[in-house]
Amino acid sequence: GDSVTQMEGPVTLSEEAFLTINCTYTATGYPSLFWYVQYPGEGLQLLLKATKADDKGSNKGFEATYRKETTSFHLEKGSVQVSDSAVYFCAIQNQAGTALIFGKGTTLSVSS
Amino acid sequence: DAGITQSPRHKVTETGTPVTLRCHQTENHRYMYWYRQDPGHGLRLIHYSYGVKDTDKGEVSDGYSVSRSKTEDFLLTLESATSSQTSVYFCAISDRGEGGLGNTIYFGEGSWLTVV
Repeated sequence: GDSVTQMEGPVTLSEEAFLTINCTYTATGYPSLFWYVQYPGEGLQLLLKATKADDKGSNKGFEATYRKETTSFHLEKGSVQVSDSAVYFCAIQNQAGTALIFGKGTTLSVSS
Repeated sequence: DAGITQSPRHKVTETGTPVTLRCHQTENHRYMYWYRQDPGHGLRLIHYSYGVKDTDKGEVSDGYSVSRSKTEDFLLTLESATSSQTSVYFCAISDRGEGGLGNTIYFGEGSWLTVV
């Protein structure tokens, strides 16, 4: 079945460091891809998404490119801030388009 | 923010008791979902609804039932709570619209349930 694998955390960085969180997926066809972010004590918020191959989603300095060849959707940010500390989830839309399948989440901790 | 309200936000209950969590939306979205979040598992789909009285099972539906009698409300019931159902439960909504794929799912703030 469809699945998502993302790098395990926690990821600990200093402020202004470069961030990469890897995400790969297994799916039939070409699902839409998402990154969600969860701040402590809150629900998930959509960070960015891409709906077809080579699309680049971007928001708040974060970017991710839909790579069909490598079935990947890695999240990147050039310079992280303390306020980026959160849990990041990669997700794909299931084949029927009715729900999202999530990775296990990656905790990011940024220190000043 | 999407208009999603979950209640209760926090609940402690005893093993074997029934529990109902409520999700209320003001967006008139067709799709509603219940996910649970557990350490090491991420979010897993319990049940979802694609319309009034139309529901389907997700990945971890055993021990849970749902009902949707109105567009705006989606109830999740644990008929007889067990300690393994201690979790954070998230309601989510979506409107697939034209084409279907790629539409965003919006999440509520979560309901923390502890079964002792």
